[in-house]
Amino acid sequence: GAVVSQHPSWVICKSGTSVKIECRSLDFQATTMFWYRQFPKQSLMLMATSNEGSKATYEQGVEKDKFLINHASLTLSTLTVTSAHPEDSSFYICSAGGAGGFGDEQFFGPGTRLTVL
Amino acid sequence: GENVEQHPSTLSVQEGDSAVIKCTYSDSASNYFPWYKQELGKRPQLIIDIRSNVGEKKDQRIAVTLNKTAKHFSLHITETQPEDSAVYFCAATPPDTGRRALTFGSGTRLQVQP
Repeated sequence: GAVVSQHPSWVICKSGTSVKIECRSLDFQATTMFWYRQFPKQSLMLMATSNEGSKATYEQGVEKDKFLINHASLTLSTLTVTSAHPEDSSFYICSAGGAGGFGDEQFFGPGTRLTVL
Repeated sequence: GENVEQHPSTLSVQEGDSAVIKCTYSDSASNYFPWYKQELGKRPQLIIDIRSNVGEKKDQRIAVTLNKTAKHFSLHITETQPEDSAVYFCAATPPDTGRRALTFGSGTRLQVQP
Protein backbone atom coordinates (compact mmCIF):
# COMPACT_ATOMS: atom_id res chain seq x y z
CA GLY A 1 0.00 0.00 0.00
CA ALA A 2 0.88 3.66 -0.18
CA VAL A 3 2.65 5.51 2.61
CA VAL A 4 1.45 8.70 4.25
CA SER A 5 3.54 10.48 6.85
CA GLN A 6 2.70 13.18 9.32
CA HIS A 7 4.87 15.57 11.24
CA PRO A 8 5.11 16.17 14.09
CA SER A 9 3.81 13.08 15.82
CA TRP A 10 3.05 15.06 18.92
CA VAL A 11 3.16 18.70 19.94
CA ILE A 12 2.53 20.63 23.13
CA CYS A 13 1.90 24.34 22.87
CA LYS A 14 0.66 27.25 24.91
CA SER A 15 -2.81 28.65 24.46
CA GLY A 16 -2.90 31.31 21.77
CA THR A 17 -0.07 29.97 19.67
CA SER A 18 -0.31 28.43 16.21
CA VAL A 19 0.69 24.92 15.27
CA LYS A 20 1.38 23.55 11.82
CA ILE A 21 0.93 19.86 10.98
CA GLU A 22 2.31 18.39 7.77
CA CYS A 23 0.87 15.47 5.86
CA ARG A 24 2.91 13.92 3.06
CA SER A 25 2.21 11.18 0.58
CA LEU A 26 5.60 9.55 0.20
CA ASP A 27 5.23 7.32 -2.80
CA PHE A 28 2.24 8.61 -4.69
CA GLN A 29 0.65 11.86 -5.76
CA ALA A 30 -2.48 12.88 -3.92
CA THR A 31 -4.68 15.52 -5.47
CA THR A 32 -7.00 15.16 -2.51
CA MET A 33 -6.20 14.64 1.14
CA PHE A 34 -8.51 14.53 4.10
CA TRP A 35 -8.07 15.84 7.62
CA TYR A 36 -9.80 14.13 10.52
CA ARG A 37 -9.94 14.94 14.20
CA GLN A 38 -10.38 12.38 16.94
CA PHE A 39 -11.13 13.30 20.54
CA PRO A 40 -10.37 10.74 23.27
CA LYS A 41 -12.63 7.69 23.12
CA GLN A 42 -14.48 9.08 20.14
CA SER A 43 -14.62 8.38 16.44
CA LEU A 44 -12.80 10.11 13.62
CA MET A 45 -14.63 13.14 12.34
CA LEU A 46 -13.89 14.70 8.98
CA MET A 47 -12.73 18.28 9.32
CA ALA A 48 -11.96 19.19 5.75
CA THR A 49 -11.03 18.01 2.30
CA SER A 50 -7.77 19.39 1.03
CA ASN A 51 -7.55 19.92 -2.71
CA GLU A 52 -4.26 20.51 -4.47
CA GLY A 53 -4.13 23.96 -5.99
CA SER A 54 -7.49 25.10 -4.68
CA LYS A 55 -9.28 26.00 -1.49
CA ALA A 56 -10.12 23.36 1.04
CA THR A 57 -13.67 22.27 1.65
CA TYR A 58 -14.62 22.43 5.31
CA GLU A 59 -17.25 20.42 7.10
CA GLN A 60 -20.08 22.14 8.84
CA GLY A 61 -19.03 23.49 12.20
CA VAL A 62 -15.31 23.60 11.40
CA GLU A 63 -13.93 27.14 11.41
CA LYS A 64 -11.95 27.69 8.25
CA ASP A 65 -10.17 30.73 9.71
CA LYS A 66 -9.02 28.70 12.66
CA PHE A 67 -7.95 25.56 10.81
CA LEU A 68 -5.99 26.73 7.81
CA ILE A 69 -5.33 24.12 5.16
CA ASN A 70 -2.82 24.47 2.37
CA HIS A 71 -2.32 21.83 -0.31
CA ALA A 72 0.54 23.39 -2.21
CA SER A 73 1.78 20.29 -3.99
CA LEU A 74 0.64 16.83 -4.96
CA THR A 75 2.47 15.33 -2.00
CA LEU A 76 2.00 17.82 0.80
CA SER A 77 -0.95 19.21 2.71
CA THR A 78 -0.61 21.27 5.86
CA LEU A 79 -3.07 22.01 8.63
CA THR A 80 -2.39 25.05 10.78
CA VAL A 81 -4.31 25.40 14.01
CA THR A 82 -4.30 29.13 14.66
CA SER A 83 -4.63 30.62 18.12
CA ALA A 84 -4.94 27.18 19.63
CA HIS A 85 -6.95 26.70 22.81
CA PRO A 86 -7.23 23.73 25.18
CA GLU A 87 -10.43 22.59 23.47
CA ASP A 88 -8.40 22.09 20.28
CA SER A 89 -6.38 19.38 22.00
CA SER A 90 -7.01 16.28 19.97
CA PHE A 91 -5.54 13.64 17.68
CA TYR A 92 -5.33 14.94 14.12
CA ILE A 93 -5.03 12.41 11.31
CA CYS A 94 -4.71 12.93 7.58
CA SER A 95 -5.46 10.48 4.82
CA ALA A 96 -5.00 10.22 1.10
CA GLY A 97 -6.02 7.82 -1.61
CA GLY A 98 -9.41 6.61 -2.61
CA ALA A 99 -8.76 7.09 -6.28
CA GLY A 100 -6.63 6.10 -9.20
CA GLY A 101 -4.48 3.06 -8.91
CA PHE A 102 -5.28 2.51 -5.26
CA GLY A 103 -8.95 2.03 -5.83
CA ASP A 104 -11.10 2.94 -2.87
CA GLU A 105 -8.60 2.43 -0.09
CA GLN A 106 -7.59 5.40 2.05
CA PHE A 107 -4.12 5.55 3.55
CA PHE A 108 -3.77 7.22 6.90
CA GLY A 109 -0.91 9.13 8.36
CA PRO A 110 0.26 8.14 11.85
CA GLY A 111 -1.53 11.07 13.43
CA THR A 112 -0.47 14.10 15.44
CA ARG A 113 -1.32 14.42 19.10
CA LEU A 114 -1.89 18.10 19.91
CA THR A 115 -1.99 19.23 23.51
CA VAL A 116 -2.75 22.87 24.19
CA LEU A 117 -1.92 24.09 27.68
CA GLY B 1 -24.80 13.59 4.10
CA GLU B 2 -23.94 10.06 5.10
CA ASN B 3 -24.65 8.84 8.63
CA VAL B 4 -23.17 5.62 9.95
CA GLU B 5 -24.38 3.99 13.16
CA GLN B 6 -22.40 1.25 14.87
CA HIS B 7 -23.31 -1.25 17.60
CA PRO B 8 -22.38 -2.33 20.15
CA SER B 9 -20.15 0.33 21.67
CA THR B 10 -18.36 -2.28 23.78
CA LEU B 11 -18.04 -6.00 23.35
CA SER B 12 -16.37 -8.49 25.64
CA VAL B 13 -15.82 -12.07 24.53
CA GLN B 14 -13.85 -15.05 25.70
CA GLU B 15 -10.82 -16.08 23.72
CA GLY B 16 -11.88 -18.43 20.93
CA ASP B 17 -15.41 -17.08 20.72
CA SER B 18 -16.78 -15.10 17.79
CA ALA B 19 -17.43 -11.36 17.76
CA VAL B 20 -19.93 -9.52 15.58
CA ILE B 21 -20.13 -5.77 15.08
CA LYS B 22 -22.94 -4.20 13.10
CA CYS B 23 -23.27 -0.94 11.20
CA THR B 24 -26.01 0.78 9.28
CA TYR B 25 -25.63 3.59 6.79
CA SER B 26 -28.06 6.14 5.44
CA ASP B 27 -26.86 7.04 1.95
CA SER B 28 -27.92 4.37 -0.53
CA ALA B 29 -25.31 5.73 -2.96
CA SER B 30 -22.41 4.71 -0.71
CA ASN B 31 -20.47 1.94 -2.36
CA TYR B 32 -17.36 1.25 -0.30
CA PHE B 33 -17.38 -0.03 3.27
CA PRO B 34 -14.06 -0.51 5.07
CA TRP B 35 -13.46 -1.75 8.59
CA TYR B 36 -10.60 -0.43 10.68
CA LYS B 37 -8.85 -1.58 13.80
CA GLN B 38 -7.34 1.15 15.92
CA GLU B 39 -5.02 0.69 18.84
CA LEU B 40 -4.52 3.45 21.36
CA GLY B 41 -2.64 6.39 19.89
CA LYS B 42 -2.21 4.74 16.51
CA ARG B 43 -3.62 5.30 13.07
CA PRO B 44 -6.63 3.26 11.90
CA GLN B 45 -5.54 0.04 10.25
CA LEU B 46 -7.64 -1.38 7.43
CA ILE B 47 -8.56 -4.97 8.22
CA ILE B 48 -11.12 -5.70 5.53
CA ASP B 49 -13.34 -3.85 3.10
CA ILE B 50 -16.25 -4.58 0.84
CA ARG B 51 -17.74 -2.91 -2.17
CA SER B 52 -21.42 -2.61 -2.94
CA ASN B 53 -21.34 -5.16 -5.74
CA VAL B 54 -20.33 -7.90 -3.29
CA GLY B 55 -22.41 -9.42 -0.52
CA GLU B 56 -19.71 -11.09 1.52
CA LYS B 57 -15.95 -11.16 1.81
CA LYS B 58 -13.71 -13.25 3.98
CA ASP B 59 -10.06 -13.07 4.96
CA GLN B 60 -8.95 -15.83 7.31
CA ARG B 61 -10.70 -15.17 10.66
CA ILE B 62 -12.36 -11.98 9.50
CA ALA B 63 -15.44 -11.64 7.33
CA VAL B 64 -17.73 -8.81 6.31
CA THR B 65 -21.28 -9.07 5.04
CA LEU B 66 -23.26 -6.36 3.26
CA ASN B 67 -27.00 -6.05 2.83
CA LYS B 68 -27.59 -3.18 0.42
CA THR B 69 -31.35 -3.39 0.69
CA ALA B 70 -31.30 -2.96 4.44
CA LYS B 71 -28.26 -0.68 4.28
CA HIS B 72 -26.31 -2.53 6.88
CA PHE B 73 -23.00 -4.34 7.03
CA SER B 74 -21.36 -6.45 9.68
CA LEU B 75 -17.89 -7.52 10.77
CA HIS B 76 -17.42 -11.07 11.97
CA ILE B 77 -14.30 -12.17 13.80
CA THR B 78 -13.99 -15.88 14.56
CA GLU B 79 -11.65 -17.62 16.98
CA THR B 80 -10.88 -14.36 18.72
CA GLN B 81 -7.48 -13.87 20.30
CA PRO B 82 -6.32 -11.39 22.96
CA GLU B 83 -4.45 -9.44 20.29
CA ASP B 84 -7.78 -8.73 18.60
CA SER B 85 -8.57 -6.42 21.52
CA ALA B 86 -8.82 -2.89 20.11
CA VAL B 87 -11.36 -0.36 18.90
CA TYR B 88 -13.02 -1.21 15.61
CA PHE B 89 -14.61 1.33 13.29
CA CYS B 90 -16.82 0.80 10.31
CA ALA B 91 -17.00 3.44 7.61
CA ALA B 92 -18.79 4.26 4.40
CA THR B 93 -17.91 6.36 1.42
CA PRO B 94 -19.91 7.53 -1.58
CA PRO B 95 -19.04 7.03 -5.24
CA ASP B 96 -16.23 9.08 -6.69
CA THR B 97 -17.99 12.39 -7.05
CA GLY B 98 -14.92 14.30 -5.99
CA ARG B 99 -15.58 13.73 -2.33
CA ARG B 100 -14.30 10.34 -1.22
CA ALA B 101 -14.04 11.11 2.45
CA LEU B 102 -14.95 8.40 4.91
CA THR B 103 -17.85 8.67 7.31
CA PHE B 104 -17.02 6.62 10.39
CA GLY B 105 -19.21 4.79 12.83
CA SER B 106 -18.86 5.56 16.52
CA GLY B 107 -16.58 2.62 17.21
CA THR B 108 -16.71 -0.66 19.14
CA ARG B 109 -14.28 -1.43 21.89
CA LEU B 110 -13.59 -5.16 21.71
CA GLN B 111 -12.07 -6.89 24.69
CA VAL B 112 -11.00 -10.51 24.29
CA GLN B 113 -10.59 -12.19 27.65
CA PRO B 114 -7.86 -14.85 27.82
